[in-house]
Amino acid sequence: GAGVSQSPSNKVTEKGKDVELRCDPISGHTALYWYRQSLGQGLEFLIYFQGNSAPDKSGLPSDRFSAERTGGSVSTLTIQRTQQEDSAVYLCASTNLGDTQYFGPGTRLTVL
Amino acid sequence: KQEVTQIPAALSVPEGENLVLNCSFTDSAIYNLQWFRQDPGKGLTSLLLIQSSQREQTSGRLNASLDKSSGRSTLYIAASQPGDSATYLCAVKLGGGAQKLVFGQGTRLTINP
Repeated sequence: GAGVSQSPSNKVTEKGKDVELRCDPISGHTALYWYRQSLGQGLEFLIYFQGNSAPDKSGLPSDRFSAERTGGSVSTLTIQRTQQEDSAVYLCASTNLGDTQYFGPGTRLTVL
Repeated sequence: KQEVTQIPAALSVPEGENLVLNCSFTDSAIYNLQWFRQDPGKGLTSLLLIQSSQREQTSGRLNASLDKSSGRSTLYIAASQPGDSATYLCAVKLGGGAQKLVFGQGTRLTINP
């Protein structure tokens, strides 16, 4: 079956612009995660959605970052007024009742 | 604050060797520990998951052990192959209902033919 998909695969933007990153989880998976992977910082948790519960936003680095998950499926991560330090690979993962997280290929964001 | 450390940062060995990758974590109150593989430009692929009550898990040529009390896990790769070349990441899922994974920085493994 289809895995987790993310779009776009690459995004180049200018400092100060807003960007939207999309994640399509595996069908039927109730939990969805966003992570960020940057040089020197490793892989860090951003936000977690589980069903209809309030999301865990504890990993979002600033109020410029927000995410939503519509209809318990597709999720969008929005970064407003992008800064150069936002350049990273943004990874999405989904899981169901089990613990194994299935990751998408990521979106590479470059802020010029 | 949970911290995960992986040693070594990079490892290069000839094909056919058995090897061990190390992962340590500072807080033993974990829910589980996972080992992932990441190929360049790709996402993460889950290799093995060990629940906190387990000591080890095996899949093919891979064996992962967990010593929660000492805060350590190892990934053993038997009879290494060039196709095993990748970055290997360990991650712990925190206990207490938290859902996020805390990752190590990874070990970049190169298997030379």
